[in-house]
Amino acid sequence: QQQVKQSPQSLIVQKGGIPIINCAYENTAFDYFPWYQQFPGKGPALLIAIRPDVSEKKEGRFTISFNKSAKQFSLHIMDSQPGDSATYFCAASLNRDDKIIFGKGTRLHILP
Amino acid sequence: EPEVTQTPSHQVTQMGQEVILRCVPISNHLYFYWYRQILGQKVEFLVSFYNNEISEKSEIFDDQFSVERPDGSNFTLKIRSTKLEDSAMYFCACSRGEGTGTQYFGPGTRLTVL
Repeated sequence: QQQVKQSPQSLIVQKGGIPIINCAYENTAFDYFPWYQQFPGKGPALLIAIRPDVSEKKEGRFTISFNKSAKQFSLHIMDSQPGDSATYFCAASLNRDDKIIFGKGTRLHILP
Repeated sequence: EPEVTQTPSHQVTQMGQEVILRCVPISNHLYFYWYRQILGQKVEFLVSFYNNEISEKSEIFDDQFSVERPDGSNFTLKIRSTKLEDSAMYFCACSRGEGTGTQYFGPGTRLTVL
């Protein structure tokens, strides 16, 4: 119930392509869904986040799509660049100051 | 932009030894967290700390673990008697609270237990 399932585990995309990372959850009490980006040797950094009352949120080249009825959400990266190569974690929490429950991560590699 | 700092960046210890991992959170933040990430695995919650007490802890955070905010600026995680399976990256995080949502993570301390 507390899990967040993430796929794929790894993803290779050509520069300019649109990588899509998918996540699913069970606990309908989750109220906050952040995405974190992690570069090697660094801590996770918040990329973008969404509340379940919104179906889509865009920030720059990053878009979250949220399907509350299916309990699924996804991250799209438009016009991907080699600098976007990192590990991406979807996550969920019961409220914004609560512990974050992370998915297993997706290692993204953007080919130049 | 203010940052969370953690020391040391890498700690090597013998099994059974005590270790203290240190964090300096962002100064006006009210909520503090420790997470860990075993190599190649997901980031896992250990403990949250608010108003000078633990607000929640995971099943990983057993009696061997403790946290402290000794002087109003540092936030420490102590592992009393380390085990091999404690080897992981430990991240400190903090948030301003008031429903702002963003948790800021430090760069982590890599703990290696031999």
